[in-house]
Amino acid sequence: KQEVTQIPAALSVPEGENLVLNCSFTDSAIYNLQWFRQDPGKGLTSLLLIQSSQREQTSGRLNASLDKSSGRSTLYIAASQPGDSATYLCAVESGGSYIPTFGRGTSLIVHP
Amino acid sequence: GAVVSQHPSRVICKSGTSVKIECRSLDFQATTMFWYRQFPKQSLMLMATSNEGSKATYEQGVEKDKFLINHASLTLSTLTVTSAHPEDSSFYICSASTDTEQYFGPGTRLTVT
Repeated sequence: KQEVTQIPAALSVPEGENLVLNCSFTDSAIYNLQWFRQDPGKGLTSLLLIQSSQREQTSGRLNASLDKSSGRSTLYIAASQPGDSATYLCAVESGGSYIPTFGRGTSLIVHP
Repeated sequence: GAVVSQHPSRVICKSGTSVKIECRSLDFQATTMFWYRQFPKQSLMLMATSNEGSKATYEQGVEKDKFLINHASLTLSTLTVTSAHPEDSSFYICSASTDTEQYFGPGTRLTVT
C-alpha cells in the first residue's frame, strides 16, 4: 500500500526566501506525482504534474523534481511571496488506477 | 482547462437530516468520478469511486448506506450524506477523470450541528 509523507508539516518564512518542500513515497512503482496547492477552506489547485518518465517540471517560480528510485520529490519555490501562503499537497498515483494517494501536506506561511 | 464544479460550496445542517452534494464536469465527460473527504489537518481520503450507470465502489470503512452516491450521467455525480451527525462534518471534494487526467472540484464544507 502506497504511503506518502510530507516534511515539514508546517513552515513559516519571511518573504523572499527560497523554499524546499519534501515528499516521500514508499512504493516507487508510480505513474505520476502531482503537487497541489490548497487555500484554507478551498479545493485543490494543481501546480505541477510529473510523469514517471520525467525528472522535473517547472512553472514560473515553482520547480518540482522526482527521484523514483529513492521515492522522493521536492517542490522548490523561488523568491517566496505572501501570496504563496497555503497548504501544499503531494499526491502519488500508482497501482493501475487514477486514484492518487495524498500526503498530509505542508502548511506554508510567508510573512511580509 | 477542464472544470469541475461542486454545489453547494458550504452547507450547514442539523443532526439527523440528509444533505446532497453535486459534482459536475462542466466541459468534458468523465468516465469516472471520485469522492474524497478531508478532516482538519489530515490528508484527503478517498471515500468511493463511481462509474456512470453502475454502483459505486466504497473504500474500507466508508458506510455505503450512509454515503449514497448516484452517478446518473457522464457529467454528474451526487453524494448524499444521510442522517448526518456532527462527526460527518468535513470537507468533501470530488474529482472527475478522463482517460488521462483527473480534475478536482472546489470542495464542499459540510457542518453538522
